[in-house]
Amino acid sequence: QKEVEQNSGPLSVPEGAIASLNCTYSDRGSQSFFWYRQYSGKSPELIMFIYSNGDKEDGRFTAQLNKASQYVSLLIRDSQPSDSATYLCAVNGGSQGNLIFGKGTKLSVKP
Amino acid sequence: EPEVTQTPSHQVTQMGQEVILRCVPISNHLYFYWYRQILGQKVEFLVSFYNNEISEKSEIFDDQFSVERPDGSNFTLKIRSTKLEDSAMYFCASSADRGDAGELFFGEGSRLTVL
Repeated sequence: QKEVEQNSGPLSVPEGAIASLNCTYSDRGSQSFFWYRQYSGKSPELIMFIYSNGDKEDGRFTAQLNKASQYVSLLIRDSQPSDSATYLCAVNGGSQGNLIFGKGTKLSVKP
Repeated sequence: EPEVTQTPSHQVTQMGQEVILRCVPISNHLYFYWYRQILGQKVEFLVSFYNNEISEKSEIFDDQFSVERPDGSNFTLKIRSTKLEDSAMYFCASSADRGDAGELFFGEGSRLTVL
């Protein structure tokens, strides 16, 4: 059974700070890794995906992947109150493209 | 901007009743999915659908569940005889590529409450 683990938080950071969100996964064969943002009562929306070891940057967001440690992280620079949401880590599941989600980390950015 | 649309947004039903949740995926997408999220829990995969057939399903997707793409636009999830534990938010999703190869677009969800 593939598992994705995240600290449920809440993680509280001041506005303008860097928020660091972490995720571990159980299946060493996982190849695709995703970060979704979910506002309360809303659907998940994709922030970033990463396939290769190392860092991938997109604006204020940086995803980091370490396959040897089975660890994925998301850094949010210059955090804004509008970033307050639950961040879901997901990895590829079976052979047909389904995703396995973690329970999510709730981020609160204080003005 | 194209989007996945779901109806109804909220449905309340009695235990044992049949429920159909409807989805209109993005028009040029080929892969379709249903996920569910019980309140406060993780998003869970139910089923994937490609080329007019189920391509994968989870343990949750038992004989009470079925999916159908009755025409070129709609994608439905049917729960034959609802149970209390089926109460959840059900998300439809679609993608142009396989969901783990590109972006998965989620609809806003259908909240199902079983009494």
